[in-house]
Amino acid sequence: AQSVTQPDIHITVSEGASLELRCNYSYGATPYLFWYVQSPGQGLQLLLKYFSGDTLVQGIKGFEAEFKRSQSSFNLRKPSVHWSDAAEYFCAATGGFKTIFGAGTRLFVKA
Amino acid sequence: DGGITQSPKYLFRKEGQNVTLSCEQNLNHDAMYWYRQDPGQGLRLIYYSQIVNDFQKGDIAEGYSVSREKKESFPLTVTSAQKNPTAFYLCASRLAGTGGTGELFFGEGSRLTVL
Repeated sequence: AQSVTQPDIHITVSEGASLELRCNYSYGATPYLFWYVQSPGQGLQLLLKYFSGDTLVQGIKGFEAEFKRSQSSFNLRKPSVHWSDAAEYFCAATGGFKTIFGAGTRLFVKA
Repeated sequence: DGGITQSPKYLFRKEGQNVTLSCEQNLNHDAMYWYRQDPGQGLRLIYYSQIVNDFQKGDIAEGYSVSREKKESFPLTVTSAQKNPTAFYLCASRLAGTGGTGELFFGEGSRLTVL
């Protein structure tokens, strides 16, 4: 069955520290991959997406993600976290008209 | 500005009542989606529509109904048959023709609470 797994329910990092959020997918073929961010009580906003080509993709707000086919992973990274990055992050995959979401990782940022 | 508008933002319902959540988009997108969000479970697909007058069940369609009479509108009705309707509901849209390559655009959500 197709699935997206985010192993970390929540992560706490200090402001200014680096961040990596993990995402693994299970699909018959390489799907199109996305990272979205959600602030409390709001909708989701696209951070970045991967379709093909360069496996390191850049997104908004200083985020980047690396696609690794051998590990079926699409991890999100940021070199230096800001307090405003505290939110919930969702990894998603689609191979057609339906998009599958991971359960999300909530990021806490401490001063 | 183009976008997706969901209303109401907050809704309270007594058990046994049907409620309808509105979703309107002015992005000229053909495909529209309804997701349900519960803590720790991510987003689960309720219904989706790729074109006017056509829609398909998602993974958790039981107790819900939709219509797609206009391209811009995709209302969701939560019926009394839905056993646990308290949740955050998100509407989204996407350009058709991009298949799975286009990202989803989301509204700001509607929080339904059953009293």
